[in-house]
Amino acid sequence: DAGVTQSPTHLIKTRGQQVTLRCSPISGHKSVSWYQQVLGQGPQFIFQYYEKEERGRGNFPDRFSARQFPNYSSELNVNALLLGDSALYLCASSLAGTDIQPQHFGDGTRLSIL
Amino acid sequence: DAKTTQPNSMESNEEEPVHLPCNHSTISGTDYIHWYRQLPSQGPEYVIHGLTSNVNNRMASLAIAEDRKSSTLILHRATLRDAAVYYCILRKGSTLGRLYFGRGTQLTVWP
Repeated sequence: DAGVTQSPTHLIKTRGQQVTLRCSPISGHKSVSWYQQVLGQGPQFIFQYYEKEERGRGNFPDRFSARQFPNYSSELNVNALLLGDSALYLCASSLAGTDIQPQHFGDGTRLSIL
Repeated sequence: DAKTTQPNSMESNEEEPVHLPCNHSTISGTDYIHWYRQLPSQGPEYVIHGLTSNVNNRMASLAIAEDRKSSTLILHRATLRDAAVYYCILRKGSTLGRLYFGRGTQLTVWP
């Protein structure tokens, strides 16, 4: 079975630009979460979506937004990119939005801001 | 959210057991203890979780202290593929599935 897939795998942008990252969850999974991982640190929670509704948001500015589609895939958008947005962006899916279900991660999108 | 404390790094030799400790002295009664690991250039991978009793699966064992203020992830025979950053995470019912990662423990396995 296919795992969580993310695209693109790598991306280079310049300051001020906008970027859209994409995530396809494991088939049957209805919850998608996004994380940002800066080099040398653990992943930081950005958003969780369940059944196309936002269920949680981390401490990130409004430049970050996301949505979930009827097929449960998801997009993360970041506007007005800053150098500090350079990071690995991870998507995770789980069966439901509850706390106990293990989350399954993709291998991420490496975003570099010049 | 309850905080966890892990050593920054640990080392082991191949085929030896590894015990990765985690302290969580402010754990609440409904917090589950989860472990994830992250291999180089990959996303985190679920390893195991438990509430009060010790747990075993094909990847590892989880030993939980009787007062639940600490736990230990046990890899019974380390392999080179087990070299990764291991994260101990507490999951509260109110967090609706989000994970709060610390810096984790970097495990180095020597051949």
